[in-house]
Amino acid sequence: QVQLVESGGGLVKPGGSLRLSCAASGFTFSDYSMYWVRQAPGKGLEWVSYSSHDTTTKYYADSVKGRFTISRDNAKNSLYLQMNSLRVEDTAVYYCTRAPYGTAFDYWGQGTLVTVSS
Amino acid sequence: QSALTQEASVSGTVGQKVTLSCSGNDNNVGSFVVGWYQQISHGAPKTVMFGDSLPSGIPDRFSGSRSGTTASLTISGLQPEDEADYYCSTWDYSLHAQVFGGGTKLTVL
Repeated sequence: QVQLVESGGGLVKPGGSLRLSCAASGFTFSDYSMYWVRQAPGKGLEWVSYSSHDTTTKYYADSVKGRFTISRDNAKNSLYLQMNSLRVEDTAVYYCTRAPYGTAFDYWGQGTLVTVSS
Repeated sequence: QSALTQEASVSGTVGQKVTLSCSGNDNNVGSFVVGWYQQISHGAPKTVMFGDSLPSGIPDRFSGSRSGTTASLTISGLQPEDEADYYCSTWDYSLHAQVFGGGTKLTVL
């Protein structure tokens, strides 16, 4: 069955860095576009970044552009999010999600919590 | 302010039919497949509909549709376990961004 498992979250000081990982299994990872979506405490869902199946196309929300980098290793069935220059407002649960139609998601991971605080 | 507009709250009784709406424009809802996501008590979101496709394991009391620039999620025969927050989302061509609605809190009375 399809599984997405995020890891790499934790507590980091403002200005610090973290790298999130999403391990995919149960499907041909290289066939699917993937997204990172986050949810700040008490807030709604917010899109963070998109990667096409072959990494040729990547997009970022304005709030993270220039600070976050999405990547993937199709040989390792893994999606990554490198987060630099972290801010307090980046505190959220980060989810990876699969997009079979490119614009809508079918499977979600359980999320990993990133807390940015001094 | 969210790019997609959803009702802040909707309520219904057990067995009732309720419809949640997601209003956008020609650059998003009017052009791309819309997904609907259920989130119970801030747990991980679960997809209950994408376009008019029902994911496996989702009861067929859930259905989706679109008319112009408004997408709708209908739950026929509301159940207590349907109480949750529901979000819609799709791609926005002009923004080059995935956009979400602000979410609808569905209460089952």
